[in-house]
Amino acid sequence: QSVLTQPPSVSGAPGQRVTISCTGSSSNLGAGYDVHWYQQLPGTAPKLLIYGNSNRPSGVPDRFSGSKSGTSASLAITGLQGEDEADYYCQSYDSSLSDFVVFGGGTKLTVL
Amino acid sequence: QVRLQESGPGLVKPSETLSLTCTVSGGSISNDYWSWFRQPPGKGLEWIGYIYYSGTTTYNPSLKSRVTISVDTSKNHFSLKLSSLTAADTALYFCARMYNRRIDYWGQGTLVTVSS
Repeated sequence: QSVLTQPPSVSGAPGQRVTISCTGSSSNLGAGYDVHWYQQLPGTAPKLLIYGNSNRPSGVPDRFSGSKSGTSASLAITGLQGEDEADYYCQSYDSSLSDFVVFGGGTKLTVL
Repeated sequence: QVRLQESGPGLVKPSETLSLTCTVSGGSISNDYWSWFRQPPGKGLEWIGYIYYSGTTTYNPSLKSRVTISVDTSKNHFSLKLSSLTAADTALYFCARMYNRRIDYWGQGTLVTVSS
């Protein structure tokens, strides 16, 4: 059971827009901690996709965007491409016991 | 460009202790937080713990009794020890750098199988 909740899977056709939600609680997202997003292609290490709720690292296409409000966050991908098929994870911190790292369970994006 | 590389045994026996090392290149370990994560086959990411270069550690409460993370600034590497292994500890283990509470650099990962 992950501290942050994500849908197990989402899908979309090439060119479409998809969103992935990440729901937390008052001890993590609701406490003001930022949310970060990672993309994990099969057989590789995760890659930072969005940091600080809505910022893109250098080299990440602007088709990827993030937002956060209260205890929820979302990742949006527009102009879906086949290369976007991957697992996506949200990550934040939680203060309920100590300052520790928490993840969502991951969302598998399938490009139809 | 910071690079991280995990090293250690790929096969460990049940009840034994896993020891992994992460060597950092392209930058100094004497800054930021350095962390270990794992991912069981077909499952999601789990944070194990992190260490500040000064030696201060924070561990995942679910693993805290079995985990030790240490740092050697002279060798620019940090290490993980996980004791009392069971099959449930079989996973891909990643080391990473944490900056402003996000993970910006990851190692490629090393698969550890717990089996007799």
